[in-house]
Amino acid sequence: GENVEQHPSTLSVQEGDSAVIKCTYSDSASNYFPWYKQELGKRPQLIIDIRSNVGEKKDQRIAVTLNKTAKHFSLHITETQPEDSAVYFCAALNAGNMLTFGGGTRLMVKP
Amino acid sequence: DAGITQSPRHKVTETGTPVTLRCHQTENHRYMYWYRQDPGHGLRLIHYSYGVKDTDKGEVSDGYSVSRSKTEDFLLTLESATSSQTSVYFCAIRQGQGRETQYFGPGTRLLVL
Repeated sequence: GENVEQHPSTLSVQEGDSAVIKCTYSDSASNYFPWYKQELGKRPQLIIDIRSNVGEKKDQRIAVTLNKTAKHFSLHITETQPEDSAVYFCAALNAGNMLTFGGGTRLMVKP
Repeated sequence: DAGITQSPRHKVTETGTPVTLRCHQTENHRYMYWYRQDPGHGLRLIHYSYGVKDTDKGEVSDGYSVSRSKTEDFLLTLESATSSQTSVYFCAIRQGQGRETQYFGPGTRLLVL
């Protein structure tokens, strides 16, 4: 089955700096890659997603890049703010329409 | 919030007792999912449903069963709860074919003593 590895598990940045979280996946048939943000005690919420026919997608300070050949995708957050502090999860959707999640990255933005 | 509610939101139970968690949605979504979330493991799929009475196993289905007798409700049952099933359980929906995004319910925190 699909295996998704996510790194780093924790990331600490200064406010205003950029943050990058990376994920690799194993199933070359995976074709949809969402990113979720989860604040403490809350549900995961979708922040951005990308499909396999696109290499990059941006939404204000957030961007996701996808390298299908290398089977990895990354989340980029620019100009980080304290409210970006949360746990971020990547995921990959396989041909059976099941999402497999990475282990999560705890992002801490220091004021 | 995609019209998803979960009940109960918190539960404490004892080893060996049966437990049923409920996921309710109001927007007629075809696909529903149950995940568990544990530190270091992200979210792992337990069971999912692709229609009334149509269900299938996910990655970590042992010890769990599900039922979906009507579109709006997806029930997760722990037949005989164990301490290893202490977790946060999230229900999710997907809007339909060609719409891959999953939206999550608020979660149920379960403690098995």
